[in-house]
Amino acid sequence: SQQGEEDPQALSIQEGENATMNCSYKTSINNLQWYRQNSGRGLVHLILIRSNEREKHSGRLRVTLDTSKKSSSLLITASRAADTASYFCATDARTSGSRLTFGEGTQLTVNP
Amino acid sequence: DTGVSQNPRHKITKRGQNVTFRCDPISEHNRLYWYRQTLGQGPEFLTYFQNEAQLEKSRLLSDRFSAERPKGSFSTLEIQRTEQGDSAMYLCASSLWGQTQETQYFGPGTRLLVL
Repeated sequence: SQQGEEDPQALSIQEGENATMNCSYKTSINNLQWYRQNSGRGLVHLILIRSNEREKHSGRLRVTLDTSKKSSSLLITASRAADTASYFCATDARTSGSRLTFGEGTQLTVNP
Repeated sequence: DTGVSQNPRHKITKRGQNVTFRCDPISEHNRLYWYRQTLGQGPEFLTYFQNEAQLEKSRLLSDRFSAERPKGSFSTLEIQRTEQGDSAMYLCASSLWGQTQETQYFGPGTRLLVL
């Protein structure tokens, strides 16, 4: 069963705006990863945050992790039309042997 | 730099037929994972290998499914007696286990349609 839940399920914004997506999970984790998937394609790894980290940046991406609330957020700043995709969080639970458990994703549409 | 590759990219088959998919991981990666993704859902774990050893199988992996990684390099996923419910995208990922940050890198997937 899926552990992660992304919120919102769909998000539509204008180019240049910021996009924030949230993820909640249920069990203790080793790390949490965010992936992007363009329609019908494979997943592209965006960023990994370990359980002992609270915030991480990569280019226009900012990820936060709150293990007490079992939640994470992904912020994309200054969005571009090319950012249009589905975004998934995936957790590597302490007891899972490193398999990833994905949420259902947030569909982001950036309008030019 | 070669990423994870999967073949074929698309497969259409009739119910009851057997299909086999291949995954070639990033060359130095010792772990290889198979996931399945249906439309509108996130990927779901099926199984994974460390080198040639299959270490974990999901309950989703019925006895019609078998995966191998005979030499610890490429892997195959076979589905016997396919059913319409097997229609999905099958994703392969690889990682270098032992690093402090174990990132899984995904291939482009094989999209299966069972008629």
